[in-house]
Amino acid sequence: GAVVSQHPSWVICKSGTSVKIECRSLDFQATTMFWYRQFPKQSLMLMATSNEGSKATYEQGVEKDKFLINHASLTLSTLTVTSAHPEDSSFYICSASRDLGTQYFGPGTRLLVL
Amino acid sequence: RKEVEQDPGPFNVPEGATVAFNCTYSNSASQSFFWYRQDCRKEPKLLMSVYSSGNEDGRFTAQLNRASQYISLLIRDSKLSDSATYLCVVIRGTGANNLFFGTGTRLTVIP
Repeated sequence: GAVVSQHPSWVICKSGTSVKIECRSLDFQATTMFWYRQFPKQSLMLMATSNEGSKATYEQGVEKDKFLINHASLTLSTLTVTSAHPEDSSFYICSASRDLGTQYFGPGTRLLVL
Repeated sequence: RKEVEQDPGPFNVPEGATVAFNCTYSNSASQSFFWYRQDCRKEPKLLMSVYSSGNEDGRFTAQLNRASQYISLLIRDSKLSDSATYLCVVIRGTGANNLFFGTGTRLTVIP
């Protein structure tokens, strides 16, 4: 099956710090990548859809200036949480798709903002 | 109404039992359907796609009912290792914002 990696796997940072998370499709070209957030005991919540070479599409209620997404190539998308605050602490997961069919998920990044 | 709805459970079943989950979707234009499994503190992993004719993979059977707009997952002879949250995913079509997750159904298989 297709492999998606995320880096880093966990981050602990001070409030006000910006954190960058990378999502890579290792063995296929992902036309679309998705970014999700999951709080404890809750379902995945789609934050934004990222298409290579174009601006990301954000879900309602997700601040695009706070969660910056860059999809520079068909194998790499990055999510930057700007000026992170404790309420941004969450499990961030990306997924990649060749053709908007099967989603292949990265292992997730745990963010803890102190 | 939510795009995709699942009973969150929890479903607590004894080892060896058969358990079934349903997932309803609201948009009849939905095209693709999947079941994912998510273990605690891990990312979701694809369990199986759901085809119109139904499909089976070992102890797992997935079915799609377009008329009633739901998909189902049946697990036979439950194992302790089946304990997880099962997410249904519905894709409506091409383009952004067309992917919808259910809230997940939590299954615990008890020895």
